Amino acid sequence: AIQLTQSPSSLSASVGDRVTITCRASQGISSALAWYQQKPGKAPKLLIYDASSLESGVPSRFSGSGSGTDFTLTISSLQPEDFATYYCQQFNSYPTITFGQGTRLEIK
Amino acid sequence: QLQLQESGPGLVKPSETLSLTCTVSGGSISSSSYYWGWIRQPPGKGLEWIGSIYYSGSTYYNPSLKSRVTISVDTSKNQFSLKLSSVTAADTAVYYCARHIPSPPGIAAAGTPWGAFDIWGQGTMVTVSS
Repeated sequence: AIQLTQSPSSLSASVGDRVTITCRASQGISSALAWYQQKPGKAPKLLIYDASSLESGVPSRFSGSGSGTDFTLTISSLQPEDFATYYCQQFNSYPTITFGQGTRLEIK
Repeated sequence: QLQLQESGPGLVKPSETLSLTCTVSGGSISSSSYYWGWIRQPPGKGLEWIGSIYYSGSTYYNPSLKSRVTISVDTSKNQFSLKLSSVTAADTAVYYCARHIPSPPGIAAAGTPWGAFDIWGQGTMVTVSS
């Protein structure tokens, strides 16, 4: 089964910072990767699909890149509402789907 | 706009079967473009995919849960359902239903019919306890 490893597991940053979260797959997954944001008590929210496509309504400060085994989610200028937990998810190993373990982004 | 809503008991006894239903509103579950899935999240932990279904009834399960999971669809009610048998405390979690968006050609492995989850239900907490 394909494993996804996110780094870091947690991160402290300040409003206005540029932040990058990495997701590494245990084998190549083409561009079959999505990124989600989850706030406490809420369902995950899709941010990026197909590795680099921005979901409708998501601010342009969020961007995704990568293919194969290495992927990144970048927030260009952190806003107060961006402090949350972020998950990557792969859908290449049909018919199975896996999520990364999550990255908790906290206020410094 | 499309909405998903989970429903079912919030408390299940050990060894019994957990049963949840996801009602789709604002759109048809029978759309040929979409698959529908269940995902869970134990308290304080990450997300785990349980399985997905197409409106035709084709199902796909997480291998680690496959022996205990059944997902079904009722197109007349615009619903799909989850049954998880022989539950233990480890099955205590928030259970979400969600819609897959299609996967365009060239994005994923050949034959992959689904992509990310774009619309989620609010989730329902299920506790396994006697």
